[in-house]
Amino acid sequence: GAVVSQHPSRVICKSGTSVKIECRSLDFQATTMFWYRQFPKQSLMLMATSNEGSKATYEQGVEKDKFLINHASLTLSTLTVTSAHPEDSSFYICSATFRNTEAFFGQGTRLTVV
Amino acid sequence: SQQGEEDPQALSIQEGENATMNCSYKTSINNLQWYRQNSGRGLVHLILIRSNEREKHSGRLRVTLDTSKKSSSLLITASRAADTASYFCATEPSGYSTLTFGKGTMLLVSP
Repeated sequence: GAVVSQHPSRVICKSGTSVKIECRSLDFQATTMFWYRQFPKQSLMLMATSNEGSKATYEQGVEKDKFLINHASLTLSTLTVTSAHPEDSSFYICSATFRNTEAFFGQGTRLTVV
Repeated sequence: SQQGEEDPQALSIQEGENATMNCSYKTSINNLQWYRQNSGRGLVHLILIRSNEREKHSGRLRVTLDTSKKSSSLLITASRAADTASYFCATEPSGYSTLTFGKGTMLLVSP
């Protein structure tokens, strides 16, 4: 089956720094990518929907200037957490689809801001 | 790797019928979650069931969890065409703050 690779799987950064998370579709063209975050023992929350070549659509309450999403190619989307703070510590996961067919998930990134 | 495995991969039923989807997993978990995804849209959370719970209901949805068999089922009763979507289970392993998804079941409900 299709593979989505998310990197890094874990990252620890200092407060105030920026962190970039990559989501790659390895064997298909991801026309749409979704970014989610999850706090422990809670459900996923959709952060934004990203279509290749266009600006991401952010969910209500998600700061687009803080969570920068780039989907410049059909195989790569990146989420950059800018000026990270401890409250940004969370589990981030991406999923990718090709023309609204089945979705494939990355392995997720555990971000810890100290 | 994806821990949850849903079956069937695809399910086609008529409106009014019940739909049952199953999810199996491999390690002990804190909780198991079911999500729905409509074509082109993000995931929508349906139900979270904790490891010490056996059954939960939400409207027409019923989720069961059998930790001894490491399996869960999602039952949609009296299905509607609007239930057509992909359904995913996700597990949060014990001791970890991560979420692992299965490959999903594509449900088609015909009028």
